Amino acid sequence: DSGVTQTPKHLITATGQRVTLRCSPRSGDLSVYWYQQSLDQGLQFLIQYYNGEERAKGNILERFSAQQFPDLHSELNLSSLELGDSALYFCASSGQGNFYGYTFGSGTRLTVV
Amino acid sequence: DAKTTQPPSMDCAEGRAANLPCNHSTISGNEYVYWYRQIHSQGPQYIIHGLKNNETNEMASLIITEDRKSSTLILPHATLRDTAVYYCIVRVIRGSQGNLIFGKGTKLSVKP
Repeated sequence: DSGVTQTPKHLITATGQRVTLRCSPRSGDLSVYWYQQSLDQGLQFLIQYYNGEERAKGNILERFSAQQFPDLHSELNLSSLELGDSALYFCASSGQGNFYGYTFGSGTRLTVV
Repeated sequence: DAKTTQPPSMDCAEGRAANLPCNHSTISGNEYVYWYRQIHSQGPQYIIHGLKNNETNEMASLIITEDRKSSTLILPHATLRDTAVYYCIVRVIRGSQGNLIFGKGTKLSVKP
């Protein structure tokens, strides 16, 4: 157990639908990062939040959004889902200075049918 | 952040040392070298990092060349459980900012 909790572990939904993925960071970590991993794309950085504020944006689609709440958990919202959004979505967290890198959760596998 | 070049795949016999190379010829003076691995669809796992000195921990050793343009991750006694994709990443530590940019990594297969 890495200390980063992601729910749900698996999600199957239809095209056009909207889903929410949840992440609880490791205790004390203020930064949360979201990554997408599809078969042909590798690990793609989506977005970072630090203590409730957006800090960095990567290859995140406009149909996707995220937020970090006062208790530091984060949610990634995916809307108007397409077949190509099927992927593993990982959340990671890090502490002050993130010197030792990130701690990743076990991911949410999203299947869009 | 600087980019890295790694071989796409490598094999290693169980019990032998696995030496995974990484080129980062455009690395800046304030960029660290990080290694992560991902075991079959699990979340990536931190292994080790360094700036310019060689580093060792319970998982691996990191050898960085004097000019810092390349490095080698060494797993001293590889086991079947070390079969994974290994990512070499260079990054600046920017306090609360910065993010890890993953390349394609090296798929290490440890064989009995």
